[in-house]
Amino acid sequence: DTEVTQTPKHLVMGMTNKKSLKCEQHMGHRAMYWYKQKAKKPPELMFVYSYEKLSINESVPSRFSPECPNSSLLNLHLHALQPEDSALYLCASSHMLTSDYGYTFGSGTRLTVV
Amino acid sequence: AQTVTQSQPEMSVQEAETVTLSCTYDTSESDYYLFWYKQPPSRQMILVIRQEAYKQQNATENRFSVNFQKAAKSFSLKISDSQLGDAAMYFCAYSYFGNEKLTFGTGTRLTIIP
Repeated sequence: DTEVTQTPKHLVMGMTNKKSLKCEQHMGHRAMYWYKQKAKKPPELMFVYSYEKLSINESVPSRFSPECPNSSLLNLHLHALQPEDSALYLCASSHMLTSDYGYTFGSGTRLTVV
Repeated sequence: AQTVTQSQPEMSVQEAETVTLSCTYDTSESDYYLFWYKQPPSRQMILVIRQEAYKQQNATENRFSVNFQKAAKSFSLKISDSQLGDAAMYFCAYSYFGNEKLTFGTGTRLTIIP
């Protein structure tokens, strides 16, 4: 299995809703990432989990809450979002400290906040 | 701080012709990696090619090859025999060994003219 699987593919939520994005990989990668991508822009890093511990939080608002239940799963919990949070949310995973150095991305969740 | 610059927001090429996308970067690290990612309208970020900085030889993957000029900090992507399926946004990206962050350029939108 050489894929990163993200669910759902599309999500529409109101500003008072609570929802979660899910990401899964079975490549044995020990680093997992959440990126946010606005239209026609490069992805922006939000969070990094390394060996299931949060290692980087790029000053993301607390209405985004990441969780890494195990080495294969990464969640992003969403609460009280704003319309400007509408974007494509990409999950990625990587080897970090091996010779096979690279990042694998999922196909993303298109989030619309209404 | 590491930066990645793509100076061509848009490029176009006739089908079956060759096109070169430019990328420059800035780093003080000696052991680093450079990547070209392709993002078609389907949204998934697909790894096109990867170059390890310690390798002198330019990486190639079928119709895709790079011109890696380490001293000039330049990393261009050449696409030969362009095909309609090559139409996408192309991102140049950088990371260094042991670091979890992937730094992206601003992207080049490539159009293939039939």
